[in-house]
Amino acid sequence: DAGVTQSPTHLIKTRGQQVTLRCSPKSGHDTVSWYQQALGQGPQFIFQYYEEEERQRGNFPDRFSGHQFPNYSSELNVNALLLGDSALYLCASSFGTSGANVLTFGAGSRLTVL
Amino acid sequence: GQQLNQSPQSMFIQEGEDVSMNCTSSSIFNTWLWYKQDPGEGPVLLIALYKAGELTSNGRLTAQFGITRKDSFLNISASIPSDVGIYFCAGPRQNRDDKIIFGKGTRLHILP
Repeated sequence: DAGVTQSPTHLIKTRGQQVTLRCSPKSGHDTVSWYQQALGQGPQFIFQYYEEEERQRGNFPDRFSGHQFPNYSSELNVNALLLGDSALYLCASSFGTSGANVLTFGAGSRLTVL
Repeated sequence: GQQLNQSPQSMFIQEGEDVSMNCTSSSIFNTWLWYKQDPGEGPVLLIALYKAGELTSNGRLTAQFGITRKDSFLNISASIPSDVGIYFCAGPRQNRDDKIIFGKGTRLHILP
């Protein structure tokens, strides 16, 4: 039974470019949350998707957007990349949106912006 | 915004020693979660706590949900090399906003 899978694992972009990161949730999970983890920091909540809609959002600008597909997979898009967007982007899935539900994380996509 | 404060930020210990770390918040939490992150991996859930005063073990790990609901503790007994990593406390806020927030982590190093 596959866990959460993310792609790509690493990528390098330049300032101003756009990036799309992808996530397939764990089998049986219907909710996907995205986190940004800067070097030496804890994961910061970006947003959560459930039933193909953004349900909650953290303190991130509109350059960060997402999508959830009918098969529960999700994409994170970041436009107009800044150097400060360099980070590990983690996808986590769960069953339902309750904060009491256990999050299962993927290994992340490491984005470097030059 | 709401924060989870973890201490210590890092620890250097000898193999076999016991480890204690904690997490505090200015706000009440109704769930406390402890995750561990190994290099190149995503965080993995170690222990989940759902009731004030709850004490839960997972092998050599023991975590407690503070009575005030504003803190939690994680203890590791008889540390081994594979305990090296970053330990995060996390939890959803008490109110309807259920997003799970994380502390900055405690980095555990084991000296040879």
